[in-house]
Amino acid sequence: DGGITQSPKYLFRKEGQNVTLSCEQNLNHDAMYWYRQDPGQGLRLIYYSQIVNDFQKGDIAEGYSVSREKKESFPLTVTSAQKNPTAFYLCASSLDPGSAGTGANVLTFGAGSRLTVL
Amino acid sequence: GQNIDQPTEMTATEGAIVQINCTYQTSGFNGLFWYQQHAGEAPTFLSYNVLDGLEEKGRFSSFLSRSKGYSYLLLKELQMKDSASYLCAVREAGGRRALTFGSGTRLQVQP
Repeated sequence: DGGITQSPKYLFRKEGQNVTLSCEQNLNHDAMYWYRQDPGQGLRLIYYSQIVNDFQKGDIAEGYSVSREKKESFPLTVTSAQKNPTAFYLCASSLDPGSAGTGANVLTFGAGSRLTVL
Repeated sequence: GQNIDQPTEMTATEGAIVQINCTYQTSGFNGLFWYQQHAGEAPTFLSYNVLDGLEEKGRFSSFLSRSKGYSYLLLKELQMKDSASYLCAVREAGGRRALTFGSGTRLQVQP
């Protein structure tokens, strides 16, 4: 079955360490996204990519970095510059956000990665 | 930029009907989405509106008024499993194609 796989599901980090969260999709979707969710709050956009080798900053990109070398993969690195990284991180993809129609715009989410800084 | 407002919490009774409102302000509009999210899980897609009016899908319906910047999600015949957060999200017209989410409405269904 097609879907989005995020790993690890749980991750603990010491202050000052960089960590990379993996996101892989086999849906043949063009666009991929990273969102952050804090307790009791909605999703905030970190980075998104509409095509391979291209990505844009979202609303809270500071302290994060991404790459999009392959269509299937969109890893997120949480750097030591991110002052409050403890959160639930969600990766998503969509078929082609530039196209009309419901199917192209709907986001499919991975199961999430919960990062805790010790 | 965008501003999306939803009530923080709502409580309803099993078997009843509940309406969750969402208001938005955006410089350009290209669709409104509703997602359901159970605690600790990923959001799942419920509905999509881009034109004014009501979209019905089983027990769930969603309404949009673009002139008022207003949408609601209507849940009928509530079940205990409907206890979850409901997220309203808007897609802007133009360059930015990612969705902007509201803070979500936590619905508690009581027996």
